[in-house]
Amino acid sequence: QVQLQESGPGLVKPSQTLSLTCTVSGGSISSGSYYWSWIRQPAGKGLEWIGRIYTSGSTNYNPSLKSRVTISVDTSKNQFSLKLSSVTAADTAVYYCAREELTGDWRSHYDYWGQGTLVTVSS
Amino acid sequence: DIQMTQSPSSLSASVGDRVTITCQASQDISNYLNWYQQKPGKAPKLLIYDASNLETGVPSRFSGSGSGTDFTFTISSLQPEDIATYYCQQYDNLPRRTFGPGTKVDIK
Repeated sequence: QVQLQESGPGLVKPSQTLSLTCTVSGGSISSGSYYWSWIRQPAGKGLEWIGRIYTSGSTNYNPSLKSRVTISVDTSKNQFSLKLSSVTAADTAVYYCAREELTGDWRSHYDYWGQGTLVTVSS
Repeated sequence: DIQMTQSPSSLSASVGDRVTITCQASQDISNYLNWYQQKPGKAPKLLIYDASNLETGVPSRFSGSGSGTDFTFTISSLQPEDIATYYCQQYDNLPRRTFGPGTKVDIK
């Protein structure tokens, strides 16, 4: 059974860089047709796609966040990471990592999620 | 950008009721749409993929339909454990991933 677990600081100061890591267990991050994704959810609000990475290192980002986001992968540790720079209070949210399964053409869905981690941006 | 809307934003129904949620895309997305259930304090869970395919292990009272811009999600007989917020999510090959604003389902 694949499991994902987010880790990282729960409090980040404004203008600094938010850094989170997702550790994948129960399967290799390099196997299969999967993208590894970050999604966030401000309190009481909906879900926002941040971006994703394939194990080849290929990335795609939400255009609204692209200038501030970097997603990377470390296959030796079975982990992938998120960096979001120049954060403001608007970046306060629960951050989820998720596995995006590719099922043909460009069809996909998120089949496994981490439990989520709350990151608060405050001085 | 593709915008997703859902209606209603919330609903209250009795156990055993049939519940229907609609999701509308701002442009044709074929059947590139998934549905998720999110319970309070938990991560979303995939219920329906590609508009109408039931994810393995998901009860058959959940179903989805639609294509193009208009989609429907149905719970045929609402159960107490179905209390949650339901989200539709579109995807395409650009790639873009957009979630609807969610529909909160309560028991009356």
